[in-house]
Amino acid sequence: TQLLEQSPQFLSIQEGENLTVYCNSSSVFSSLQWYRQEPGEGPVLLVTVVTGGEVKKLKRLTFQFGDARKDSSLHITAAQPGDTGLYLCAAKGPSGNTPLVFGKGTRLSVIA
Amino acid sequence: EPEVTQTPSHQVTQMGQEVILRCVPISNHLYFYWYRQILGQKVEFLVSFYNNEISEKSEIFDDQFSVERPDGSNFTLKIRSTKLEDSAMYFCASSWGANPNTEAFFGQGTRLTVV
Repeated sequence: TQLLEQSPQFLSIQEGENLTVYCNSSSVFSSLQWYRQEPGEGPVLLVTVVTGGEVKKLKRLTFQFGDARKDSSLHITAAQPGDTGLYLCAAKGPSGNTPLVFGKGTRLSVIA
Repeated sequence: EPEVTQTPSHQVTQMGQEVILRCVPISNHLYFYWYRQILGQKVEFLVSFYNNEISEKSEIFDDQFSVERPDGSNFTLKIRSTKLEDSAMYFCASSWGANPNTEAFFGQGTRLTVV
């Protein structure tokens, strides 16, 4: 069973600060996706990373896939209150044709 | 923008009753999924469906659960005899393919409460 460990579990920061959250595993993944989930809603896809070492940017969000495809990070620059939410990583196993496995998420709160 | 839609948004049912959760996946998608999220816990895979049959299912998806694509647009999850522990958010998702690059898009979810 593949496990995705996300850290920190909770993070509360002031508007304008930078932050990084992590998604780690001992397993190799064919791809990894980051989602954001608001209370009572479904996960909304932010990005998919596939290649080891890959870096993708989405405005103030920077996503990186580890070289060994076992871990990933999400860095937010100059956080805003609108960034508040639950950030989930989800990954597919080595064959790629497996269902997504989710981490428990990092709950981010950005205070104005 | 195309989206996955789920109905109802909330469902309250008595223990032992049958419930059907409905989903309309994105129209050109071929793979369909159900996930659930018990309050405060992580999103868990239940079942995937392709070419009118189940392609994979988890340990959670026991004989009480079934899925169906009754027509060209709907994808349903049926729980035959609900238990208290079935209370959760149920998310439907769809994707065009199943390879690593393929992205899954999730619906807003149905909150099922079993009393």
